[in-house]
Amino acid sequence: DTGVSQNPRHKITKRGQNVTFRCDPISEHNRLYWYRQTLGQGPEFLTYFQNEAQLEKSRLLSDRFSAERPKGSFSTLEIQRTEQGDSAMYLCASSLVAFADTQYFGPGTRLTVL
Amino acid sequence: AQSVTQLDSQVPVFEEAPVELRCNYSSSVSVYLFWYVQYPNQGLQLLLKYLSGSTLVESINGFEAEFNKSQTSFHLRKPSVHISDTAEYFCAVSEKGNTPLVFGKGTRLSVIA
Repeated sequence: DTGVSQNPRHKITKRGQNVTFRCDPISEHNRLYWYRQTLGQGPEFLTYFQNEAQLEKSRLLSDRFSAERPKGSFSTLEIQRTEQGDSAMYLCASSLVAFADTQYFGPGTRLTVL
Repeated sequence: AQSVTQLDSQVPVFEEAPVELRCNYSSSVSVYLFWYVQYPNQGLQLLLKYLSGSTLVESINGFEAEFNKSQTSFHLRKPSVHISDTAEYFCAVSEKGNTPLVFGKGTRLSVIA
């Protein structure tokens, strides 16, 4: 069990560019969550998957955001036409439904939009 | 919908002194409660959780939290803090039945030598 991993750890981009982040959950965890954390705030939920099915999306997730988990293993989060307000830490977490949904977090991807 | 209020954004405390980090939640249904810790330049780590049963839960590094349903609170305590406890602490809640976590804004604990 190597924990949740996220790549890249840091991303700097110019406004208007597209970015994609990857999350590899703990193996055999069937739930995968994406959160966003801005400075001085707690993480805010964006979306989550059970296996490959996307079960819920937050109203925070605008049309420029899309997430996939094509084979029920790793997931990608894409942001199109980035804006400065998208600058944040993007966190991924995974869990097993059988264990009361205790979520284990990755180290995060810090996005800076210039 | 649930919400979490962490009443103190920053708590400075001297080494070996006791500390309490306060957390209140709001929910119309039964909940699970969590404390996560974020050390400088590290990811969120689960510190302890309340799912059911005994209302007092403990972590391996000396923290404890007590679920108080009547006061809708889940305060975190440690009788004697160490420099290494300096971190940001987040209280979180989820509805029973597996839903996303709702976090408070966090409390920055600074332990002073």
